[in-house]
Amino acid sequence: SQTIHQWPATLVQPVGSPLSLECTVEGTSNPNLYWYRQAAGRGLQLLFYSVGIGQISSEVPQNLSASRPQDRQFILSSKKLLLSDSGFYLCAWSGGARGNYGYTFGSGTRLTVV
Amino acid sequence: DAKTTQPPSMDCAEGRAANLPCNHSTISGNEYVYWYRQIHSQGPQYIIHGLKNNETNEMASLIITEDRKSSTLILPHATLRDTAVYYCIVRVGNRDDKIIFGKGTRLHILP
Repeated sequence: SQTIHQWPATLVQPVGSPLSLECTVEGTSNPNLYWYRQAAGRGLQLLFYSVGIGQISSEVPQNLSASRPQDRQFILSSKKLLLSDSGFYLCAWSGGARGNYGYTFGSGTRLTVV
Repeated sequence: DAKTTQPPSMDCAEGRAANLPCNHSTISGNEYVYWYRQIHSQGPQYIIHGLKNNETNEMASLIITEDRKSSTLILPHATLRDTAVYYCIVRVGNRDDKIIFGKGTRLHILP
């Protein structure tokens, strides 16, 4: 069965510090991978998505970047965090037969920038 | 993705059926209706999806009108654990079609 792992679960970082969040998927190959962010009391915002190794598309301009060094690994990074980067970060993957490309989400990382 | 319209919030008594409406009047012929829910502090969870016909699984039923311009998600016997934000999404459903979440409906199950 397919599983998605995301860590850490919670993170408190000072302003100006770097960030690295990792997401890995098991039990499938060549998945589409996604990073979403949910600010407090707000909706889910798509940040990045990837359809293959080294292929990253950014949905919104921001202080973050993403990389996909391996087929089932997706990393969200920042060189210098801002207070506005606080939020709930979710990784997701999709794949499967046509018409059933539902998303499966990880458990999320709650980031607080102080 | 076609836009969807959902009520911002709804209440339902525990044990009763919860009926969550969604309007998608601009849906295209090749777009599916998907439903997800997000329980507080968790990632969204897939519930059900359909194209034309009504669908049922162990979690819920999806009723799609004949003209496909609206749908209803039915939780047959709501429990307190069904309290969540429910998202109705229409998308082609192919490999490269991204999910853009709207604001959803916040469902409160009342004891």
